[in-house]
Amino acid sequence: GAGVSQSPSNKVTEKGKDVELRCDPISGHTALYWYRQSLGQGLEFLIYFQGNSAPDKSGLPSDRFSAERTGGSVSTLTIQRTQQEDSAVYLCASSPLGGSTDTQYFGPGTRLTVL
Amino acid sequence: AQSVTQLDSQVPVFEEAPVELRCNYSSSVSVYLFWYVQYPNQGLQLLLKYLSGSTLVKGINGFEAEFNKSQTSFHLRKPSVHISDTAEYFCAVSDDTGFQKLVFGTGTRLLVSP
Repeated sequence: GAGVSQSPSNKVTEKGKDVELRCDPISGHTALYWYRQSLGQGLEFLIYFQGNSAPDKSGLPSDRFSAERTGGSVSTLTIQRTQQEDSAVYLCASSPLGGSTDTQYFGPGTRLTVL
Repeated sequence: AQSVTQLDSQVPVFEEAPVELRCNYSSSVSVYLFWYVQYPNQGLQLLLKYLSGSTLVKGINGFEAEFNKSQTSFHLRKPSVHISDTAEYFCAVSDDTGFQKLVFGTGTRLLVSP
């Protein structure tokens, strides 16, 4: 079956612009995660969605970052007023149940470059 | 809070040689441990995970890892590597409460040459 997909694969934007990154999880997976992979910080957890529950936003680095998940499926990560330090690869993952023993399946990522 | 240390940023090895990628973790609670592999321009793929039971865990592509609680380690091994194993390997940890919030190490690049 289809894996996790993300779009766009690459995004170049100017400092100060807003960007939206999209994630399509594996069909039927209830849990969805966003991570950021950057040279300076490595792989960092950003946000977690589980079904219709309130998301865990504990990893979001600033209030410029937000995410939503519509209909328990597709998710959009929005970065407002982008800064150069936002340049990174943004990875999305989904898992069947969201439990602590689950397996997360990762998408190929969106490479964001802020000029 | 948990943390993961991968001391080796890069490990060069010849094809068909054995390899060990080191991972140490720190946590005040019980943890689950994971190894992920990232091939160029691809997302992360789970190699193996330790949840409980036998401390020797076998994964895909001939990899295995051993959980050592006293040394807080979870080293990844393969007895004979292939060129195709060239990739970035990430060790990760999560606690056993709530959801699986992975904390990753900085990664080890395995370079296999002929």
